[in-house]
Amino acid sequence: EVQLVESGGGLVQPGGSLRLACAASGFTFSTYHMTWVRQGPGKGLEWVAYISSARSIIYYAASVKGRFTISRDNDVNSLYLQMNSLRDDDTAVYYCARAPPWSYWYFDLWGRGTLVTVSS
Amino acid sequence: EIVLTQSPGTLSLSPGERATLSCRASQSFNSNYLAWYQQKVGQAPSLVIYGASSRATGIPDRFSGSGSGTDFTLTITRLEPEDFAVYYCQHYGGFSWTFGQGTKVEIK
Repeated sequence: EVQLVESGGGLVQPGGSLRLACAASGFTFSTYHMTWVRQGPGKGLEWVAYISSARSIIYYAASVKGRFTISRDNDVNSLYLQMNSLRDDDTAVYYCARAPPWSYWYFDLWGRGTLVTVSS
Repeated sequence: EIVLTQSPGTLSLSPGERATLSCRASQSFNSNYLAWYQQKVGQAPSLVIYGASSRATGIPDRFSGSGSGTDFTLTITRLEPEDFAVYYCQHYGGFSWTFGQGTKVEIK
């Protein structure tokens, strides 16, 4: 089955760190570009970070640049998001999503998400 | 950065009716970079339309996308019960991806 499964969410104090993972299966992970998108409670979607298939291109949203790091391991079909210096407004469901090899500007498969709660 | 404004915020319709959702951009851009997503309650978003008018795999033909420049539209010709959801438009440009605030299509 073609799917993405996120893990690693949880409760963390402000200023703390968390590492999210996204396991891909059912498709050739190494050929797809990947991204993280988050959704705050009762809010809309916000793009967070992007990594190209070969890891050569990485972009971040201004709201997380310098605090979050996106990475991937194509040998184990996994995407990661290292989140440091977490703030209250980072509280959200974090989704991983893939972008097709031929068009990185839209996302054709999404995981179910993992909830990150930043609170003291 | 381009801002996407969706209207209306909420659309109250009955099954079988036609839904017309608008997405307006603060600047003109290539329509290839416009996509629409559907998000049902408690679920992840899923791709509906890409390139402004191309349906994603498995999307029924009652869904159609149109538009260019700054004005884009998602139309659902005859609403089915499973179509009631929140719809987001999304744009890529300048090394970032932005979403509209969403339109909720609810049962009247």
